[in-house]
Amino acid sequence: GQNIDQPTEMTATEGAIVQINCTYQTSGFNGLFWYQQHAGEAPTFLSYNVLDGLEEKGRFSSFLSRSKGYSYLLLKELQMKDSASYLCAVTDSNYQLIWGAGTKLIIKP
Amino acid sequence: DAMVIQNPRYQVTQFGKPVTLSCSQTLNHNVMYWYQQKSSQAPKLLFHYYDKDFNNEADTPDNFQSRRPNTSFCFLDIRSPGLGDAAMYLCATSTTTGSTDTQYFGPGTRLTVL
Repeated sequence: GQNIDQPTEMTATEGAIVQINCTYQTSGFNGLFWYQQHAGEAPTFLSYNVLDGLEEKGRFSSFLSRSKGYSYLLLKELQMKDSASYLCAVTDSNYQLIWGAGTKLIIKP
Repeated sequence: DAMVIQNPRYQVTQFGKPVTLSCSQTLNHNVMYWYQQKSSQAPKLLFHYYDKDFNNEADTPDNFQSRRPNTSFCFLDIRSPGLGDAAMYLCATSTTTGSTDTQYFGPGTRLTVL
């Protein structure tokens, strides 16, 4: 079967750094997405990785290791508005997007 | 601004009473998707259209139907909503179904079934 694993919930402090991990087992791999979803709202695109390594976009970075079936999203200089769920999603060999259940990130002052 | 629009944002219906949710897009994307998302769960793909080609997920109940009359609009019809159909329904679009194509989501419609 196809599976995406993420921690259910994480807590971090405003101004700090947090790393949200994602591991996947899918039939083939054609890219990995990270989306941010605030409570009651739609997911919004954060990043896309298809090659190994780190992609940096401002305060957010995403890392991929295809050999390990592993990715992480790194959030720096955390702000209260970063409190949201972060969803990892992988495109499989049939170009189906397989979603994780998301990691709820709670930011404390 | 180019966007994906869903109406209404909140929909209340009664058990067994048909309901239609709508989605429109100004992105001129070929592909439109309907997802169901329950609290703290991953979005679950119900079906998608590539242009007018309809693709139903194997485990999508027959109770759920969809129409795409033109490029811009797509509708989700729930013929006989049950209590278990209460969820957020998300519409998304992408240019193609290729691997690099980001899906852009509308704000969602939260469906309550009484």
